[in-house]
Amino acid sequence: EVQLVESGGGLVQPGGSLRLSCAASGFTFSSYEMNWVRQAPGKGLEWVSYIYSSGSPTYYADSVRGRFTISRDNAKNSLYLQMNSLRAEDTAVYYCARENSGWGDAFDIWGQGTMVTVSS
Amino acid sequence: QAVLTQPSSLSASPGASASLTCTLRSGINVGTYRIYWYQQKPGSPPQYLLSYISDSDKQQGSGVPSRFSGSKDASANAGILLISGLQSEDEADYYCMIWYSSAWVFGGGTKLTVL
Repeated sequence: EVQLVESGGGLVQPGGSLRLSCAASGFTFSSYEMNWVRQAPGKGLEWVSYIYSSGSPTYYADSVRGRFTISRDNAKNSLYLQMNSLRAEDTAVYYCARENSGWGDAFDIWGQGTMVTVSS
Repeated sequence: QAVLTQPSSLSASPGASASLTCTLRSGINVGTYRIYWYQQKPGSPPQYLLSYISDSDKQQGSGVPSRFSGSKDASANAGILLISGLQSEDEADYYCMIWYSSAWVFGGGTKLTVL
């Protein structure tokens, strides 16, 4: 079964750090571009970051550039998001999503998400 | 002004059709962009529905019924998701998305109510 499973969310104080992970299974992870998308409580979707299949290039939303770092370990079938200098406005459910170039780069597989709460 | 603008809500009756719009900011030509559509139900991650750039270049997500279709209105500079034969299960939030200026951009979403 094709699957993405996020982990690493939790409660963190403003200014703190957190590392999210996304474990992929059921497909050749190293062949796919990947993304992180977040959704604040009661709000819409916001794209966060993109990473190419080989690990480069990477792209970031303006709201997180310089604070968040996306990376991947193809040997471990895993995607990561290192989040530093966290702010209250980073509070959201974070989803990892597979980008399928065979489907015109659609985000065809999504994880269930992991909640990040930034609060003192 | 946002890159993509969607009406916040829309209501339609079962069996009717619903047209959800995604308007691109002035200066961004809808004709050159592939527009992606996602459906999200409460408590669940988004699901890919389809993408559309032209009648000759469109893609339907796996298992997505043909009553979901995409199009564009060039005069309005907008992408359109048309849902025909509305069913109660279509009640959800719908998001459009494009790749713009080295970033993925989502619209604010439309909450579709079927009543």
